[in-house]
Amino acid sequence: GENVEQHPSTLSVQEGDSAVIKCTYSDSASNYFPWYKQELGKRPQLIIDIRSNVGEKKDQRIAVTLNKTAKHFSLHITETQPEDSAVYFCAASNTGTASKLTFGTGTRLQVTL
Amino acid sequence: AAGVIQSPRHLIKEKRETATLKCYPIPRHDTVYWYQQGPGQDPQFLISFYEKMQSDKGSIPDRFSAQQFSDYHSELNMSSLELGDSALYFCASSLETGINSPLHFGNGTRLTVT
Repeated sequence: GENVEQHPSTLSVQEGDSAVIKCTYSDSASNYFPWYKQELGKRPQLIIDIRSNVGEKKDQRIAVTLNKTAKHFSLHITETQPEDSAVYFCAASNTGTASKLTFGTGTRLQVTL
Repeated sequence: AAGVIQSPRHLIKEKRETATLKCYPIPRHDTVYWYQQGPGQDPQFLISFYEKMQSDKGSIPDRFSAQQFSDYHSELNMSSLELGDSALYFCASSLETGINSPLHFGNGTRLTVT
């Protein structure tokens, strides 16, 4: 089955700096890669996703890049703000949709003033 | 916009008891998923239903069962509860047949087994 590794497990940045979270996956058939943000005690919320026919996608301060050859994808957050503090999960699926997602182990991002 | 509704929000049970969690997906979504998230862990896929039929199965214990009803709501039934079943249980829904349909999570049910 799919295995998704995520690094780092914790990340502390100063407000205004950039944050990068990296994930690798094992199943070369995986073709859908969403990122979720989860605040303490709350539900995961989709912040951005990318499909295997695209190398990069951007939405305001958030961008995701995908390297299919290396089986690696990354989340980039620029101009970080305190409200970006949360746990971020990457995930992968080989169905092209959100079905049977395998999640990474999460990155706790702390944005300090 | 309507979201995924889960009930109850919190549930406290004793060991060996049973629990039933309910999920009401976003209207017109055809697929429901159940995830279990332990403290400090990532969500683990349990089971999914597409158009009221089980579509996939993950790490769901045999003590658990689930179904999706004609109105598309789903229930997760958990029997012979163990302390290790204490977790956040998320239901999520999506439009499987839709293009670029993401997964929408409910607010979760926090189950505590004592």
